[in-house]
Amino acid sequence: DQQVKQNSPSLSVQEGRISILNCDYTNSMFDYFLWYKKYPAEGPTFLISISSIKDKNEDGRFTVFLNKSAKHLSLHIVPSQPGDSAVYFCAASASGTYKYIFGTGTRLKVLA
Amino acid sequence: DAGVIQSPRHEVTEMGQEVTLRCKPISGHNSLFWYRQTMMRGLELLIYFNNNVPIDDSGMPEDRFSAKMPNASFSTLKIQPSEPRDSAVYFCASSRGGGDLQPQHFGDGTRLSIL
Repeated sequence: DQQVKQNSPSLSVQEGRISILNCDYTNSMFDYFLWYKKYPAEGPTFLISISSIKDKNEDGRFTVFLNKSAKHLSLHIVPSQPGDSAVYFCAASASGTYKYIFGTGTRLKVLA
Repeated sequence: DAGVIQSPRHEVTEMGQEVTLRCKPISGHNSLFWYRQTMMRGLELLIYFNNNVPIDDSGMPEDRFSAKMPNASFSTLKIQPSEPRDSAVYFCASSRGGGDLQPQHFGDGTRLSIL
């Protein structure tokens, strides 16, 4: 039973355009969501997070949107750069717990 | 600041051997997590420590796996005896506080191959 789903295993985007990575979750108790970026042979690196009291959080080129009614979040990267090419994982957690449930990742390729 | 440090980066050993993976969390972080990443199951939490005490080891696959945290700056994950199906990348992560609403910071992992 996958509680956090990233249905697109891969995505290719032209440099300078917007990248949109999607994530769906099923557990309504989740109220904290994170995105991690992972390069080959490295560990996941924390990118951005959002609490369920917000519907948007922005950090430079990265914006995370949360739609609680749809149990959906997305990560927007604009403009996309070749250095953004990596695997992106979304993760979800419930208050009072410490467990993150990770999605299976989306491999983003930004074409120069 | 130094990040989470894991050693070794790669380990290749024969089935039946004991394997010990090591982790040094970020200084000041009091929560530590061991994960395993496989193609089939993605990132799975194996065990969580808070203030050096194991809080949840329900993700540990079986008795062949054990983990310790003798002090705030060191943890080990041991597999004895190892089996080919244990081949995976093992990550250690740490965070401040009780882990709640705090991002976890990951090491670069240990790629384990059991022949």
